[in-house]
Amino acid sequence: DADVTQTPRNRITKTGKRIMLECSQTKGHDRMYWYRQDPGLGLRLIYYSFDVKDINKGEISDGYSVSRQAQAKFSLSLESAIPNQTALYFCATLISGHRTSTGELFFGEGSRLTVL
Amino acid sequence: KQEVTQIPAALSVPEGENLVLNCSFTDSAIYNLQWFRQDPGKGLTSLLLIQSSQREQTSGRLNASLDKSSGRSTLYIAASQPGDSATYLCAVMEYGNKLVFGAGTILRVKS
Repeated sequence: DADVTQTPRNRITKTGKRIMLECSQTKGHDRMYWYRQDPGLGLRLIYYSFDVKDINKGEISDGYSVSRQAQAKFSLSLESAIPNQTALYFCATLISGHRTSTGELFFGEGSRLTVL
Repeated sequence: KQEVTQIPAALSVPEGENLVLNCSFTDSAIYNLQWFRQDPGKGLTSLLLIQSSQREQTSGRLNASLDKSSGRSTLYIAASQPGDSATYLCAVMEYGNKLVFGAGTILRVKS
């Protein structure tokens, strides 16, 4: 089983619909991230969480919200999806701490979202 | 604001060639630099991670260097193979554990 699991892997939806992408991890990492990837733009940070009660906006948070339900789960929501949110979304995890962390992020397989 | 640039955007080489992918970043206050590989429609595979105090890392045919003062990193691939065809992404981790990505280099190795 994958250490970082994203569901759904593929989703097609219509403009205005509410969508939730879910991420769960078995690595025991405290920090979790949501990125979006568009062709030619690399990955851009949407939201990140350093702990269950610590949620932070990233570079492109408008139109998105997140929930850290537990240390192992971090969900990304699009309250009212629009076509320019069509992208590949990645969840990632990291363990913090100078003694325990190399600073390596571990990524899920991605969730491809198409908004018509 | 940290910006990461990768050159070239795309590269096509014959099998067996040695090649270099370039990455530059604007703020040298980084925690580490990471190189990833991404196959079409797939997730990211970590290739090499260089801590800010290190100058290079090697794994098999891959060698990555880091010159923090000049804001540059290179990924050297020796004896390229068709299976190396993929998009290669460079990313720098800022203090605060945020990873900033370049747009990637699309590599095609022709047999």
